[in-house]
Amino acid sequence: GPKVLQIPSHQIIDMGQMVTLNCDPVSNHLYFYWYKQILGQQMEFLVNFYNGKVMEKSKLFKDQFSVERPDGSYFTLKIQPTALEDSAVYFCASSLGTGGGDTQYFGPGTRLLVL
Amino acid sequence: GQQVQQSPTSLVLQEGENAELQCNFSTSLNSMQWFYQRPGGSLVSVFYNPSGTKQSGRLTSTTVIKERRSSLHISSSQITDSGTYLCAIRSNYNVLYFGSGTKLTVEP
Repeated sequence: GPKVLQIPSHQIIDMGQMVTLNCDPVSNHLYFYWYKQILGQQMEFLVNFYNGKVMEKSKLFKDQFSVERPDGSYFTLKIQPTALEDSAVYFCASSLGTGGGDTQYFGPGTRLLVL
Repeated sequence: GQQVQQSPTSLVLQEGENAELQCNFSTSLNSMQWFYQRPGGSLVSVFYNPSGTKQSGRLTSTTVIKERRSSLHISSSQITDSGTYLCAIRSNYNVLYFGSGTKLTVEP
């Protein structure tokens, strides 16, 4: 089936540094999402993105977070600066549309550890 | 507050037994979806089921909107069914709100 890729699979950085998480969505999909899952806790929505704009974001999407997809390349989540509580697995997802049958396809996640 | 609640939190079965996973939601929704999360972490959609009953192989999902609940039934469980099952409600802009999951362990 359709695949979403995420790069890197793991990232370890020092608190205060910048990190960029990359997502290669399904090729013809138009809607993109980021979710965050802290170890042992539930998956939580961060943000979704369409046509170059953030459509909706949660309270977890702090001012230090930003997303973009320049020229149809990777859909990225940037955190600048990082904090200890940003340690989590970040999942990217994409969908063709937002209708009833438009399921989201998830990537394998990027495991971020902030020291 | 917590919009999606799942039960049980964990479940251990012997191979061949059946499993019944429950999901209750406290808010209005556009639709309900079940996911399987592999031990490594990636998610796979199992059922998109806004209402009624759907079956796929050994899996059956039933959603009753007016009672704000959905269930996932796994018959004749296999070791490879082990993992975490998440239910999620879909609201505006296709945003998914997940429950905490049911961790299923199927033993030989």
